[in-house]
Amino acid sequence: AQSVAQPEDQVNVAEGNPLTVKCTYSVSGNPYLFWYVQYPNRGLQFLLKYITGDNLVKGSYGFEAEFNKSQTSFHLKKPSALVSDSALYFCAVVASSSNTGKLIFGQGTTLQVKP
Amino acid sequence: SQTIHQWPATLVQPVGSPLSLECTVEGTSNPNLYWYRQAAGRGLQLLFYSVGIGQISSEVPQNLSASRPQDRQFILSSKKLLLSDSGFYLCAWSRTGINYGYTFGSGTRLTVV
Repeated sequence: AQSVAQPEDQVNVAEGNPLTVKCTYSVSGNPYLFWYVQYPNRGLQFLLKYITGDNLVKGSYGFEAEFNKSQTSFHLKKPSALVSDSALYFCAVVASSSNTGKLIFGQGTTLQVKP
Repeated sequence: SQTIHQWPATLVQPVGSPLSLECTVEGTSNPNLYWYRQAAGRGLQLLFYSVGIGQISSEVPQNLSASRPQDRQFILSSKKLLLSDSGFYLCAWSRTGINYGYTFGSGTRLTVV
């Protein structure tokens, strides 16, 4: 069965410091991996995805994520956090062989960036 | 370009009243469509998904139903709302074939009183 784990309910960082939001996954075969961000009372916005190719993926708003197949991880990173990055972040996975295309989402991690 | 519209943005309904939330997609054909519920600003629960007109798959037994009367229209309904139906409802679409991920609507905040 497919699954996604975001082990931290909340991550706190100071503005200007690097941030990491962790994600590990379990899927049969090759994964497609995604990160989304949600601001209060809004829909989820796409940040970045890994389909194939370079393990380091760059996305919107200066975020990047690294696909690590051996550790089955896809951690979200940013070199210098902004207060405006404070939001709820979701990691998601689907097997490349999936015939339904349904994404499996993690439970979300709240990122709090303090001035 | 593709857009997804979801309405209303907020809704307050009494217990026992009916519900109809609508979601439409523009700029694409034969999308996969999804309804999610999010409780207390946390995890997403997949309620229904559809791969074509009239084709609805339910993920969890509940007081809700979904319909897809047209290719790009997805409706979430209830005949009688319960307090437990309160939450944030999100519609999403994706392409068939290679999965480029979902595009989400802006959501509906439903409060059942």
